Amino acid sequence: QITLKESGPTLVKPTQTLTLTCTFSGFSLSTSGVGVGWIRQPPGKALEWLALIYWNDDKRYSPSLKSRLTITKDTSKNQVVLTMTNMDPVDTATYYCAHSRRVGPFDPWGQGTLVTVSS
Amino acid sequence: QSVLTQPPSASGTPGQRVTISCSGSSSNIGSNTVNWYQQLPGTAPKLLIYSNNQRPSGVPDRFSGSKSGTSASLAISGLQSEDEADYYCAAWDDSLNVFYVFGTGTKVTVL
Repeated sequence: QITLKESGPTLVKPTQTLTLTCTFSGFSLSTSGVGVGWIRQPPGKALEWLALIYWNDDKRYSPSLKSRLTITKDTSKNQVVLTMTNMDPVDTATYYCAHSRRVGPFDPWGQGTLVTVSS
Repeated sequence: QSVLTQPPSASGTPGQRVTISCSGSSSNIGSNTVNWYQQLPGTAPKLLIYSNNQRPSGVPDRFSGSKSGTSASLAISGLQSEDEADYYCAAWDDSLNVFYVFGTGTKVTVL
């Protein structure tokens, strides 16, 4: 059974850097084809894909946020870390991580973590 | 930024059939398969349909998906009260850099 869980700060100040960790079980990020992605959802709004990292360290980013995002993995700890720089109140959202396979869908998803950006 | 366009809302009475459209372009739906996600109130999204028309284990067969050209559709037959949720289409996009795009989302209301 695959499970994922997001962790990180619930409140960050504008201009700060957000660091989120996705801790997973039930699969290995050293297995060919496997990936972990991040998706966010502002309150009352649609889903927005952010980034994805594959077993071979191939990384994909949202074109509109690429300059602010970095995704890394720690295979030994079963963790994927997403950093987002220069946070702004419009970045307030629930952030989800999810399992994926090469060009496949995201399934399953973690429960999500709400991050509020406010001074 | 949503690149796939969906109607903001759809509704029906129990037992009716509801269809949700998803419009994209040649770089996403036109060249890749479509996935659909269901998000019940207050919960994380769940994969509902993958590869245009495949249902993961446990998804009722009253949910079906289809794709034609640069558009896709999700149909819910025999609508039930527990189907009241937000639905999102999604696909990989091959323009410039490969990235994933979600639809604008459709709120389904059971009347």
